[in-house]
Formats: sequence, structure tokens, C-alpha cells
Amino acid sequence: RKEVEQDPGPFNVPEGATVAFNCTYSNSASQSFFWYRQDCRKEPKLLMSVYSSGNEDGRFTAQLNRASQYISLLIRDSKLSDSATYLCVAESNFGNEKLTFGTGTRLTIIP
Amino acid sequence: EAGVTQFPSHSVIEKGQTVTLRCDPISGHDNLYWYRRVMGKEIKFLLHFVKESKQDESGMPNNRFLAERTGGTYSTLKVQPAELEDSGVYFCASSQGRTGGWNTEAFFGQGTRLTVV
Repeated sequence: RKEVEQDPGPFNVPEGATVAFNCTYSNSASQSFFWYRQDCRKEPKLLMSVYSSGNEDGRFTAQLNRASQYISLLIRDSKLSDSATYLCVAESNFGNEKLTFGTGTRLTIIP
Repeated sequence: EAGVTQFPSHSVIEKGQTVTLRCDPISGHDNLYWYRRVMGKEIKFLLHFVKESKQDESGMPNNRFLAERTGGTYSTLKVQPAELEDSGVYFCASSQGRTGGWNTEAFFGQGTRLTVV
């Protein structure tokens, strides 16, 4: 079983719609969680950190449920520029900053 | 300010040859990481340097891979001899040292696409 599991998609969503991604992790010792965005043939870039209290950054909302070991990302009013692969990431070793990646969920926003 | 830079961007080598990948982290970042993504799989951790010291090399696949970071600046990752299964995209990332117990963002380079034929 992968340490971080994501639905690979693809998700094809019309512009303006709301889309939600989910992710589960198996290592209960994981301390920190992130969503990264990766455009085709580019490097991963941090989109946002994920906190238990939930956090919002503009059209993006992330949520962490430690009891269920579940992470979510919600994108509202999706834009064409949101098309990318979204990577769910856990930091497995507290203090070491080693990142464990999911395989990514591919999102395409359709005009 | 320059980001993390990697060289070369692409490399095609024959099985059995040697390849050396280079990573220049963001200036002042003590932490440097190597990751790899093979076709159809997730990005996987290879190793972590703090300055010139290897903090964690648990992800290195085997002894054909050698990473160095002399002087705590740039890093190299050598694959010798290369095998077909070594093909993939090799990413380098860097981050500032931890301060006050809070994590800091890891910035990734654009990667080196290695193809072993």
C-alpha cells in the first residue's frame, strides 16, 4: 500500500465549477501535510500547507482530518489556469523534512 | 533571486555509462534534497543533505548512486553504471534550516530528465 494515496483522475471540469480532491495517508506519524501543484514537465511548487483547523487561500481550501488520516483540497470558481497535476504530500519524519508524495491528481479545466 | 537550478535538463546515455547530475540550491539554503520520479510512479525521496553532511540517505536505490555536496554548496548525483530502470526525472530541492521548530518550504528545481537506453 502506498504511503500517500490519491485518485489519479483525470478530472475534467468546466470553467467556474468547484472541484474537490481527496487524499489518504497511512503513516500515522506524519506530522505536516501539503498540496503541491505541478504543471506539465515543470517542477512541483507548493500550493498550500494543510492544517487541522482548515485553511483557505483565495479560491483554495485545504483540510486535514488526523483521525481519519484524510486530506482534502477544494478549488472554487475554477480557472483555466488551474489545469495541472495536484500532489498530496506528507512530511514523514518530523524534523527531517523528507516529503512523501502521492502520485498526483490530474485536473483539466474545460472552457 | 535565482531558484534551484539543475544541470543538465536532459540526458540520454547508454546502459553501463556514467552520468553526473548537478544541483545548485538557493543561496543560503542548508538543506538539499534529491528526489526521483520514474514513469508512472510517484516522486520518491532519495537523500537529504544538511550542509555537507548526509542527514538521510534511506531512499538511495543501491550503491550505483553516489551523492556529494562538498563545501555545502552545490550537489552532484552520480549514477555508475547506469541501468535501464534508472530512467526518470531527478529533482533537487532546497530549503532553509528549521527555525523555531517550524517547517520551511522546499523549493524544487526543474529536474533532470534521464533516459538510459
